[in-house]
Amino acid sequence: SQTIHQWPATLVQPVGSPLSLECTVEGTSNPNLYWYRQAAGRGLQLLFYSVGIGQISSEVPQNLSASRPQDRQFILSSKKLLLSDSGFYLCAWSHGQGVFHEQFFGPGTRLTVL
Amino acid sequence: SQELEQSPQSLIVQEGKNLTINCTSSKTLYGLYWYKQKYGEGLIFLMMLQKGGEEKSHEKITAKLDEKKQQSSLHITASQPSHAGIYLCGAGPSNAGNNRKLIWGLGTSLAVNP
Repeated sequence: SQTIHQWPATLVQPVGSPLSLECTVEGTSNPNLYWYRQAAGRGLQLLFYSVGIGQISSEVPQNLSASRPQDRQFILSSKKLLLSDSGFYLCAWSHGQGVFHEQFFGPGTRLTVL
Repeated sequence: SQELEQSPQSLIVQEGKNLTINCTSSKTLYGLYWYKQKYGEGLIFLMMLQKGGEEKSHEKITAKLDEKKQQSSLHITASQPSHAGIYLCGAGPSNAGNNRKLIWGLGTSLAVNP
């Protein structure tokens, strides 16, 4: 069966510091991968989307970047965090082919920027 | 662009009561996905509806997609405290191919009082 991991679970960082959140998927190959940010416990905002290694689509202009160095690894980064980067970050995967588009989510990372 | 509207935004019910959450689209839905989220956790996939008039059930939760495929409802029978959380609906893209991004509603927050 497939599983998705995210770490860390919680992070408190000062403004201006770098960020690296990691997401890995097991039990499937060539998944589509997603990074979301969720504010106030609802409202998923899609940040990045990837259909393959090195292929990243940015959905909104922002202070963040994403990379996919391996098929099942997705990394969210920032060189200098802003206060507005605080939020709950969720990684998700879906099958790359077939008619079903359901996404499966990791446990999330709570980021607080002080 | 397509938008998903969920109603109500929040709901408080007494344990044992039935409740319904709605998800309405401005355009025809091509795949409607229901998720549940406990606070501070990732989203759990509940079920997917694809055909007009389709209805699916899982334990005490029933989801329906109307014939016109523009509205879905999630019905919980004899609610329990374990049903509490945020329910989100997501809709698949209207075109085929590699676009597997989902459009999301803002969620319905459910509290069940014992």
